[in-house]
Amino acid sequence: KAGVTQTPRYLIKTRGQQVTLSCSPISGHRSVSWYQQTPGQGLQFLFEYFSETQRNKGNFPGRFSGRQFSNSRSEMNVSTLELGDSALYLCASSPGTSGNEQFFGPGTRLTVL
Amino acid sequence: TQLLEQSPQFLSIQEGENLTVYCNSSSVFSSLQWYRQEPGEGPVLLVTVVTGGEVKKLKRLTFQFGDARKDSSLHITAAQPGDTGLYLCAGGGASNDYKLSFGAGTTVTVRA
Repeated sequence: KAGVTQTPRYLIKTRGQQVTLSCSPISGHRSVSWYQQTPGQGLQFLFEYFSETQRNKGNFPGRFSGRQFSNSRSEMNVSTLELGDSALYLCASSPGTSGNEQFFGPGTRLTVL
Repeated sequence: TQLLEQSPQFLSIQEGENLTVYCNSSSVFSSLQWYRQEPGEGPVLLVTVVTGGEVKKLKRLTFQFGDARKDSSLHITAAQPGDTGLYLCAGGGASNDYKLSFGAGTTVTVRA
């Protein structure tokens, strides 16, 4: 099976702009989670989608949003970018029906200037 | 504040030595996972432990889940340069809570 794919791998934006990141889960996986990873804060949970519904949400401002499509692919959007949003954004997929094992993609490295 | 505390934060050892990484919490987890992450890549799942007191072995890696399901350890025997990476522990909540809480990670460097 192909692994989790994320696009783009690298992105440079300026403050105030918005950005959309994309994630394609492992075939058959219906759950997609998003995490932000920074040197100072480590891996922080953003949100999780299952069958197009958000099931869990972390403690991030409303500028961070996501959605999931009927084919389980997911997008994450960040509006009004701030310098502190610079991070590695990781997407993880799982079957979603039991347990918590997640399979991560390579991430999107976002740099906000 | 991290829900899961990992120690040490950094570890640098010579090839052939043993090492242990610890993951502690005041919370009880239904499961605990260990991941290894290499630079520029996403974390890769190594193991999942779900039963208090459980011990799992993966070649030279031994994982243990505490009896109270609040802590875990990862022991590597005869470390090799290929073991270099960021080791992350992650705790899962109840079966209907699909969120993982991650520790800050332990950066392991194995020198040849």
